[in-house]
Amino acid sequence: EIVLTQSPGTLSLSPGERATLSCRASQSVSSSYLAWYQQKPGQAPRLLIYGASSRATGIPDRFSGSGSGTDFTLTISRLEPEDFAVYYCQQYGSSPRGYTFGQGTKLEIK
Amino acid sequence: EVQLVESGGGLVQPGRSLRLSCAASGFTFDDYAMHWVRQAPGKGLEWVSGISWNSGSIGYADSVKGRFTISRDNAKNSLYLQMNSLRAEDTALYYCAKEGADSSRDFDYWGQGTLVTVSS
Repeated sequence: EIVLTQSPGTLSLSPGERATLSCRASQSVSSSYLAWYQQKPGQAPRLLIYGASSRATGIPDRFSGSGSGTDFTLTISRLEPEDFAVYYCQQYGSSPRGYTFGQGTKLEIK
Repeated sequence: EVQLVESGGGLVQPGRSLRLSCAASGFTFDDYAMHWVRQAPGKGLEWVSGISWNSGSIGYADSVKGRFTISRDNAKNSLYLQMNSLRAEDTALYYCAKEGADSSRDFDYWGQGTLVTVSS
């Protein structure tokens, strides 16, 4: 099974600042199958980025994804108050087959 | 508008069974793969199982293989998860999730979840 490790575990920033979240895979992941989600307390996750760098429908352009191989990044260019949440990366692999999530990064207000 | 509504959760004793359902609307159900993803209290997300549009391809996490069975009824726009031999570690909020277009292997819509508590 491919393990995704997200860092940092918690990120404390202020509105207006830039956030950089990391997702590292234990082995190479297809960029086509790397996604990012946002989850707020009491809510279901929301798809932000798919295919490593494509924004999902309705996602503001301050969110961007990048990376390839084993290292992927979610960047929020200028934090808005509503962006403080937990973020998860997720991958699909064909060998071994399956879907895995990272453990999450909590983005909190400083 | 895409809607996914889960039901069937509740309190169940270890070793017993439970069947979850997910009613889908707002999209052509039989065009998409569907999945179950769970989240234990205060923990992260864990993919549980997925099923292709025609039930021809099914997968399970190792943690539930042999105990859980996923199925779908395209005529009823519904997804199911039969959970047998439940354990305390199966306690979680279970989400139904729709896979993205073109077999993208991501989850573009989620329900609000149904809570399963396994306890004596």
